[in-house]
Amino acid sequence: GESVGLHLPTLSVQEGDNSIINCAYSNSASDYFIWYKQESGKGPQFIIDIRSNMDKRQGQRVTVLLNKTVKHLSLQIAATQPGDSAVYFCAENMRAAGNKLTFGGGTRVLVKP
Amino acid sequence: DSGVTQTPKHLITATGQRVTLRCSPRSGDLSVYWYQQSLDQGLQFLIQYYNGEERAKGNILERFSAQQFPDLHSELNLSSLELGDSALYFCASSVAPTSAHYNEQFFGPGTRLTVL
Repeated sequence: GESVGLHLPTLSVQEGDNSIINCAYSNSASDYFIWYKQESGKGPQFIIDIRSNMDKRQGQRVTVLLNKTVKHLSLQIAATQPGDSAVYFCAENMRAAGNKLTFGGGTRVLVKP
Repeated sequence: DSGVTQTPKHLITATGQRVTLRCSPRSGDLSVYWYQQSLDQGLQFLIQYYNGEERAKGNILERFSAQQFPDLHSELNLSSLELGDSALYFCASSVAPTSAHYNEQFFGPGTRLTVL
């Protein structure tokens, strides 16, 4: 498969452990945030989103935390599985500026069996 | 499968040439977005169309243009290609573009363009 980015920060996680992926966003006026997962050779896949009026949102095995004070977003994956190996991107959106997404640089997660 | 389709999957061409990338949005989605993903620039927003009209422009070069047709499919035209245009080009779609909505964007599988 194609490499998404050769110089991405990489998080190595033991299968079954929890993963935490961090993202600093740039625009304090952003009001909608999304985490995407991108597997090799595929397009970004939606994982979970959060609006700026929330600080935590949980999905299936994933939790997103938003700290607007320091413009920080994190994605927690519980009981990481081999299928979680991918590149993870955070994206921010300011609805008043339309729906274009501004993506972070991405973090590569490698799950060790 | 996101429901967004893109063709072709791979495209190899030479510098100076022109290519057209095609995208069909998910059924019911009116908005189409184009993104470029390169190794050094990451995922960058290029342009957005809603129901046939251009809605937002990002870092799109003048050599690039796009349109959305009445059947809502979209095409991204890249001309006078340069080596640096080699990248993955993604199309995404969403229901609506208005600021009243938080719009989840669904991405297609991408077109890998290689300019030799």
